[in-house]
Amino acid sequence: EDKVVQSPLSLVVHEGDTVTLNCSYEVTNFRSLLWYKQEKKAPTFLFMLTSSGIEKKSGRLSSILDKKELSSILNITATQTGDSAIYLCAGRVDNNDMRFGAGTRLTVKP
Amino acid sequence: KAGVTQTPRYLIKTRGQQVTLSCSPISGHRSVSWYQQTPGQGLQFLFEYFSETQRNKGNFPGRFSGRQFSNSRSEMNVSTLELGDSALYLCASSLSQNLNEQYFGPGTRLTVT
Repeated sequence: EDKVVQSPLSLVVHEGDTVTLNCSYEVTNFRSLLWYKQEKKAPTFLFMLTSSGIEKKSGRLSSILDKKELSSILNITATQTGDSAIYLCAGRVDNNDMRFGAGTRLTVKP
Repeated sequence: KAGVTQTPRYLIKTRGQQVTLSCSPISGHRSVSWYQQTPGQGLQFLFEYFSETQRNKGNFPGRFSGRQFSNSRSEMNVSTLELGDSALYLCASSLSQNLNEQYFGPGTRLTVT
């Protein structure tokens, strides 16, 4: 059965800290891995990763995929209180189905 | 450009009733996907529509159905509601079914009593 596992489930840090969120996946016919940030209601898209070893960056956020290890990490440097959210990763398979992980709840304290 | 809109935002129904939720994608987007989000199960894929055709379906019973209109607006219907159907229902749109960048709507919070 396809599954996506995220760790840790929750994380509390202070402003300025660097965090690393983990996502491992076991999905058949893997196509891509996506990261989302969910603050109040709707998730917002962060990254889509298809190729192993290529880092994607957007400001203080970056992510990389390791297809050999079936995993991905999301890094956030110099965290701010506005980074507090649930971070979701999802594996997308050939039929465009998406399997989401349970999410990591990040709390950044001032 | 307006974002994805969903109506209604909140809904309370009783067991056995049916419900229809609506989603209007971003202008020009032709793919609409529906998701169910619950505290216990997280975010789960329901189905995806593209050009008025259901392209993919998640692992949900037949009580969950949907359709897409020629203007790309989509509706989701749940019949014979059960308490476990209480959830946040999110729809997301993208330009085409092959693009992974999806934009989510605010969701419809359904409560079944």
